[in-house]
Amino acid sequence: DAGVIQSPRHEVTEMGQEVTLRCKPISGHNSLFWYRQTMMRGLELLIYFNNNVPIDDSGMPEDRFSAKMPNASFSTLKIQPSEPRDSAVYFCASSPQGSGELFFGEGSRLTVL
Amino acid sequence: KQEVTQIPAALSVPEGENLVLNCSFTDSAIYNLQWFRQDPGKGLTSLLLIQSSQREQTSGRLNASLDKSSGRSTLYIAASQPGDSATYLCAVNDNAGNMLTFGGGTRLMVKP
Repeated sequence: DAGVIQSPRHEVTEMGQEVTLRCKPISGHNSLFWYRQTMMRGLELLIYFNNNVPIDDSGMPEDRFSAKMPNASFSTLKIQPSEPRDSAVYFCASSPQGSGELFFGEGSRLTVL
Repeated sequence: KQEVTQIPAALSVPEGENLVLNCSFTDSAIYNLQWFRQDPGKGLTSLLLIQSSQREQTSGRLNASLDKSSGRSTLYIAASQPGDSATYLCAVNDNAGNMLTFGGGTRLMVKP
């Protein structure tokens, strides 16, 4: 059974460029989460979806960040324009309904020069 | 707002030692608590999930306990091995749903 799949695993881009991170949750899971991990701030929840609907995006840093979940098997996190302070590892996680147990992908390491 | 603290931030022990990692949280109205392991450059692997009605969970050499009233959880690792070296994170799931709040982690090094 495939776990949560994220792409790309590594992304290096220049300031001002658009970045799109992708996530495929575990089949049958109805909740999807985007987290950001940095040395300074640890793991922070950015946004989560239930049944493809955004429930809480209060963790999204600013308007440069946006997330979508067009269907149950795909989500994107977009940063436009990117800035050096966005450099971090971005994790996607999914959870089956009602379990409260999260399963994480391997993460996307973003470096903005 | 829930706050989760893990002590110590780093721990180095010789192989074979039994050890305890600590996690404390400020709001005791939790849904569950989850312990994760993270290897360098990797994602998080779920180790144990304790529901709010449970006191402990065990998996192999790992045992996690939960004391909701005092806002504490411990992860006990028996007979530690070099392969246990990793960062261990605890995360609290609040009553409102699936939103996990993470602690800062404990970086464990088990020396051969």
